[in-house]
Amino acid sequence: QVQLQESGPGLVKPSETLTLTCNVSGGSISNQYWSWIRQPPGKGLEWIGYIYDSGSTNYNPSLKSRVTISGDTSKSQFSLKLTSVTAADTAVYYCARGYIYFGYWGQGTLVTVSS
Amino acid sequence: DIQMTQSPSSLSASVGDRVSITCRASQSVRSYLNWYQHKPGKAPKLLIYGASSLQSGVPSRFSGSGSGTDFTLTISSLQPEDFAAYYCQQSFSIPTFGQGTKLEIK
Repeated sequence: QVQLQESGPGLVKPSETLTLTCNVSGGSISNQYWSWIRQPPGKGLEWIGYIYDSGSTNYNPSLKSRVTISGDTSKSQFSLKLTSVTAADTAVYYCARGYIYFGYWGQGTLVTVSS
Repeated sequence: DIQMTQSPSSLSASVGDRVSITCRASQSVRSYLNWYQHKPGKAPKLLIYGASSLQSGVPSRFSGSGSGTDFTLTISSLQPEDFAAYYCQQSFSIPTFGQGTKLEIK
């Protein structure tokens, strides 16, 4: 059974970089799509981007200038970096497997942007 | 971006009821439409993919239908564990989600 777990700081200051890691257990991250998705409080879900097989990436155009997703197959992990954060980036961040559909999700981690 | 609109945004029902949730896309997404169940503090769960294919392990009381711009998730007989939020998501282009439908106990 594939399981995903997000980790990272719960509080980030404005203008700084948000960094989260997703640890994948129960399966390899090779030859799969791995996505980040977020949900601001009281709002809908927003797809951030994906990484495929620790290599190719694709990002939501609305965030593309600030987002980097990277992967480490040796650690079965993939990571999200979001630069120049503002209060609008406060959200629950989820990692998930897939791109056409998201078959496995982590429980999510709340990241608050505040000074 | 393709906009996804769900209705209703909330729904009260009783155990044993048959309920349907609709999702409308701002343009055709063919059959690239998926449904998820989400309970507070838990990981979202894929229920239906490709508009009508039941994800492995999901009870058969869940079903999906539709193509193009109009889709429906139906739960044939509500069980206590089904009270949750439900989201549709299109993957015809950059993935976008509906705003969600909160299913509550009447």
